[in-house]
Amino acid sequence: GQNIDQPTEMTATEGAIVQINCTYQTSGFNGLFWYQQHAGEAPTFLSYNVLDGLEEKGRFSSFLSRSKGYSYLLLKELQMKDSASYLCAQGDSNYQLIWGAGTKLIIKP
Amino acid sequence: DVKVTQSSRYLVKRTGEKVFLECVQDMDHENMFWYRQDPGLGLRLIYFSYDVKMKEKGDIPEGYSVSREKKERFSLILESASTNQTSMYLCASSLTYNEQFFGPGTRLTVL
Repeated sequence: GQNIDQPTEMTATEGAIVQINCTYQTSGFNGLFWYQQHAGEAPTFLSYNVLDGLEEKGRFSSFLSRSKGYSYLLLKELQMKDSASYLCAQGDSNYQLIWGAGTKLIIKP
Repeated sequence: DVKVTQSSRYLVKRTGEKVFLECVQDMDHENMFWYRQDPGLGLRLIYFSYDVKMKEKGDIPEGYSVSREKKERFSLILESASTNQTSMYLCASSLTYNEQFFGPGTRLTVL
């Protein structure tokens, strides 16, 4: 099967920048998604990349390199409310999503 | 805004009971999905549907069935609940094969 790998947990300081990496298998690739999930809540969509490069959306940016099977989510000017899990998901050739286990981001004052 | 609702936020059932989880979306989406989410395992697809009365097995369909009689409603059924089905169940819908919108989730405990 296809594996999505992302770190289990990261810690960062309020006001700082953090980069969450995600690697995936390149076969059957159909886009890369990032979702945010606060504890006890449903995932919410953050970004979608299908072409190489950086997509910026306010404090959040997402990068994709299709040749390397690599993506990252960049969060700037971290706020306490950014404490959440960040889920990386790959669209496959059947247009379903293959999900990583998520990265729990802890923000400290 | 897309709204996906699920019938219960929390549910406690006994082993062997039949359990119904209901999901309704109000944006006329063709595609609907049922996932379960367990710590350290990420989201795992149970079943999905691309049209009314149509269903496809996901990665972990054993012990579950689904029903989609109307476009807006997708039901997950646990025929005989077991303790290993204790989990968070998430329903999602999408218009295209891209962004999925999630319901708030049902945390099911089977005793």
